Amino acid sequence: GQNIDQPTEMTATEGAIVQINCTYQTSGFNGLFWYQQHAGEAPTFLSYNVLDGLEEKGRFSSFLSRSKGYSYLLLKELQMKDSASYLCAVSDSNYQLIWGAGTKLIIKP
Amino acid sequence: NAGVTQTPKFQVLKTGQSMTLQCAQDMNHEYMSWYRQDPGMGLRLIHYSVGAGITDQGEVPNGYNVSRSTTEDFPLRLLSAAPSQTSVYFCASSYSPHGDFNTGELFFGEGSRLTVL
Repeated sequence: GQNIDQPTEMTATEGAIVQINCTYQTSGFNGLFWYQQHAGEAPTFLSYNVLDGLEEKGRFSSFLSRSKGYSYLLLKELQMKDSASYLCAVSDSNYQLIWGAGTKLIIKP
Repeated sequence: NAGVTQTPKFQVLKTGQSMTLQCAQDMNHEYMSWYRQDPGMGLRLIHYSVGAGITDQGEVPNGYNVSRSTTEDFPLRLLSAAPSQTSVYFCASSYSPHGDFNTGELFFGEGSRLTVL
């Protein structure tokens, strides 16, 4: 079966760095996505990786290793507004998105 | 630009009632989809459409119907509501099934929170 694994919850301190991991097993691969979802709101797009390596976008970076079925989202200089759930999703061979359950990130002052 | 608009935002139904969740987008996107989101689970695809007049089933289609008569609108119908359909529903759209041309981005509506008693 197809599976996306990510930690259920993480806690970090304001101003620090946090890495949220995502491992996947899917039938085919057409890209990996990270979305941010604040409580009670819709998911919003953060990043898209289809090739191995690191993509940097401001305070957020996303890394992909296709051979290991692994990605991480790196958040630097954490701010209180970064408290949210972070969703990992993989596009499979049929271009259907398989979603992880999300990682709830709690930022403490 | 309104993006993706969903209505209603909140709804309470009794078991056996029917209702329609509305979804409209003004970005001329060909691909539209409906997801449900339940605690502790990833988003699950209910139905999707790759263009007007074309719909297909996703992972959890039972108990739901859709139609796509125009590019803009993609309503989701609950035929006979059951407590298991209590969930948050999201409509999403993009240029193509795998997202925007370059970024892969899906554009989500604000969500509809449905409770079935």
